[in-house]
Amino acid sequence: QKEVEQNSGPLSVPEGAIASLNCTYSDRGSQSFFWYRQYSGKSPELIMSIYSNGDKEDGRFTAQLNKASQYVSLLIRDSQPSDSATYLCAVNGDYKLSFGAGTTVTVRA
Amino acid sequence: DGGITQSPKYLFRKEGQNVTLSCEQNLNHDAMYWYRQDPGQGLRLIYYSQIVNDFQKGDIAEGYSVSREKKESFPLTVTSAQKNPTAFYLCASLPSGSETQYFGPGTRLLVL
Repeated sequence: QKEVEQNSGPLSVPEGAIASLNCTYSDRGSQSFFWYRQYSGKSPELIMSIYSNGDKEDGRFTAQLNKASQYVSLLIRDSQPSDSATYLCAVNGDYKLSFGAGTTVTVRA
Repeated sequence: DGGITQSPKYLFRKEGQNVTLSCEQNLNHDAMYWYRQDPGQGLRLIYYSQIVNDFQKGDIAEGYSVSREKKESFPLTVTSAQKNPTAFYLCASLPSGSETQYFGPGTRLLVL
């Protein structure tokens, strides 16, 4: 079973700060990486996908991928209370996603 | 409206009872997936289907069964063999040629 590890939470950040989330994966052949946001009691929703080494920015979110280090991260800039959620890292392999346990982020007003 | 629907939102199971969770999509997606989520944990794959009339076991298939008779529908049965079924069950679908899965709203299963 492919392993996906996320930094343990919960992560508490003040409003306006940067939240940094980390994820490592075991399968060196993985090519596709995803960040999902999950509000309490709700289903996951995709916020970012990344396929190539480097940074990918979408609004206040930046995903970073380093395949050599088997590491993917998500930065949330100018954190808002609405960003308070659990963030799941997912790695694709053979048309199946392997998920990390998630990191819960709380943004303090 | 296009989307993935799951029903019911909450389901209660008695000891020894089989229950079936519904998942329907009108997005014309080929592949469909069932995941289980326990509190504080990520999603674990139960079963998946890439085409009609074909499905494969995921990482935790024991105690579950599925069918894929129609492209739009992928029901999951939690059998009495599943001794710890209390969890949040999520169905997802995947468009052909894409690697991004989209999730339904989920069904929360509780044991009486």
